[in-house]
Amino acid sequence: EAGVAQSPRYKIIEKRQSVAFWCNPISGHATLYWYQQILGQGPKLLIQFQNNGVVDDSQLPKDRFSAERLKGVDSTLKIQPAKLEDSAVYLCASSFSQPYEQYFGPGTRLTVT
Amino acid sequence: QKEVEQNSGPLSVPEGAIASLNCTYSDRGSQSFFWYRQYSGKSPELIMFIYSNGDKEDGRFTAQLNKASQYVSLLIRDSQPSDSATYLCAVRRNFNKFYFGSGTKLNVKP
Repeated sequence: EAGVAQSPRYKIIEKRQSVAFWCNPISGHATLYWYQQILGQGPKLLIQFQNNGVVDDSQLPKDRFSAERLKGVDSTLKIQPAKLEDSAVYLCASSFSQPYEQYFGPGTRLTVT
Repeated sequence: QKEVEQNSGPLSVPEGAIASLNCTYSDRGSQSFFWYRQYSGKSPELIMFIYSNGDKEDGRFTAQLNKASQYVSLLIRDSQPSDSATYLCAVRRNFNKFYFGSGTKLNVKP
């Protein structure tokens, strides 16, 4: 069974530029999550989708971050404009609706200079 | 108060010993509890999960849950150098909200 796919793996941009990340979850997983993990910290949930609907985006900085999952499968997370503090690893995870175990993709390491 | 708290460590144990990792959570309504292992530069990998009070064993790993004390632990028996990693505790609350702790770094010395 293929795992969660993410691209790109690494991205370096200058502040105020925009960037987009892509995620393709495990086949059949209805729930998709985007996390931000800053070095030395645990993952912080940015947004959670159930099929193509948003379940939780309470911690998503909506003035600069956006995400979509149009067909209930793959998803895109965008940052526009980027700030220095956005430097982090962006993790995508997916799960069945139950029993909720999440499986993570390899992540995208973003560096904002 | 953080949703999920873990001692950052590092926790150092000799090879072959039992490593005990602890996690506390703030919301009594939390329903499911997960342990992930994260090697440096890698993404988290699910080790095991627990829903009910008591112990759950899987190979060398045992998860323990005490809802009254709002406490979850992970025991690793016969620790190996390959177990050296950061261990993340995650909690699922109502409405499927997930919270992760900041992790405990484990060093297993040969």
